[in-house]
Amino acid sequence: GAVVSQHPSRVICKSGTSVKIECRSLDFQATTMFWYRQFPKQSLMLMATSNEGSKATYEQGVEKDKFLINHASLTLSTLTVTSAHPEDSSFYICSARDIDSATDTQYFGPGTRLTVL
Amino acid sequence: KQEVTQIPAALSVPEGENLVLNCSFTDSAIYNLQWFRQDPGKGLTSLLLIQSSQREQTSGRLNASLDKSSGRSTLYIAASQPGDSATYLCAPQDDKIIFGKGTRLHILP
Repeated sequence: GAVVSQHPSRVICKSGTSVKIECRSLDFQATTMFWYRQFPKQSLMLMATSNEGSKATYEQGVEKDKFLINHASLTLSTLTVTSAHPEDSSFYICSARDIDSATDTQYFGPGTRLTVL
Repeated sequence: KQEVTQIPAALSVPEGENLVLNCSFTDSAIYNLQWFRQDPGKGLTSLLLIQSSQREQTSGRLNASLDKSSGRSTLYIAASQPGDSATYLCAPQDDKIIFGKGTRLHILP
């Protein structure tokens, strides 16, 4: 089946630093990737939709200047948390839509746990 | 805007029982609906995917139904086991996937 990887799986950083998270579709092409965030004991929340070659679309309440998304190829999207603060500590999950899938299925990465000290 | 509601929010049942998790969504113009499982601190595991044209899907002890017109889906788990303990998420998909808050399931040995 289709596989989506995320790197790193876990990151701890100091407040004020920037952290980049990669999302890759390993065996399929994805014109669209999605980034989700999950705070402890809460549901997944869509942050933004990432389209290859164009600007990401952010959900209401998500700061685009803080969460920079780049989708430079059909297999890679990156999320950069700029000037991270403790309140950004969360579980970040990406998903990728398989453009060749007859079922328009999204496949999810394993997630990245970010801890900001 | 799609809104997804899952009931109950939490459920504890003895091992061996059959159980039903409910999901309702406000916008019926969906491509498909997925049920996911999430273990604490882990990513998502897709359990079942129901296309908008389908009524149900089965995988092992799991059966998911979809009534698109009424905006409802159910996940049926037969003969529950302690290993089934997890959070179950319902996720209808139009242009995006929107998640419900999930049902935290605890199967008592």
